[in-house]
Amino acid sequence: TQLLEQSPQFLSIQEGENLTVYCNSSSVFSSLQWYRQEPGEGPVLLVTVVTGGEVKKLKRLTFQFGDARKDSSLHITAAQPGDTGLYLCAGARAGGSYIPTFGRGTSLIVHP
Amino acid sequence: EAGVAQSPRYKIIEKRQSVAFWCNPISGHATLYWYQQILGQGPKLLIQFQNNGVVDDSQLPKDRFSAERLKGVDSTLKIQPAKLEDSAVYLCASSSQQGRNSPLHFGNGTRLTVT
Repeated sequence: TQLLEQSPQFLSIQEGENLTVYCNSSSVFSSLQWYRQEPGEGPVLLVTVVTGGEVKKLKRLTFQFGDARKDSSLHITAAQPGDTGLYLCAGARAGGSYIPTFGRGTSLIVHP
Repeated sequence: EAGVAQSPRYKIIEKRQSVAFWCNPISGHATLYWYQQILGQGPKLLIQFQNNGVVDDSQLPKDRFSAERLKGVDSTLKIQPAKLEDSAVYLCASSSQQGRNSPLHFGNGTRLTVT
């Protein structure tokens, strides 16, 4: 079983549309990170959320950490073809050693 | 700053052969990770080092996989003997410290194909 469940698994949309992807768990996390991975490259960090209820914005991307620190969402406004990629959430359970675990990712394709 | 360097970029071997991957983390980064990413899935942690000590290797198939970071800088991951299901991208990442706010910096990976 996956510690972090991401949905949807695949998303294919037209340029200009809005979308939201989700990262859920039954465990509490000390923090969650969102990464974007393009083909042939390693994941690149987009944001880290630490506080329950926290909202962070990165241009057209809005990240939210759930109040209970068990889930997170990523909302993209007016998607562009450059947003195409695999979006991964990663986190470490609260307490103990920091051992980051990744979800399976959401594969996003934005068509021009 | 220079990023995480990995080599080789691609490797094709036959099953039962051995293979080794190399990683040079960002200078000064104490924590180093090896992840396995199978096509269509997220990265799965194989082993995590803090300097030259192992923090976690619970998901490393120790009957065939081994990793070392002898001087606390670069690292090698070895598979011997390889199986078909080992076909994947092997990603190395480093972070400046072990902690919840430390981002992971990834290399571009080694794509392994086992035939």
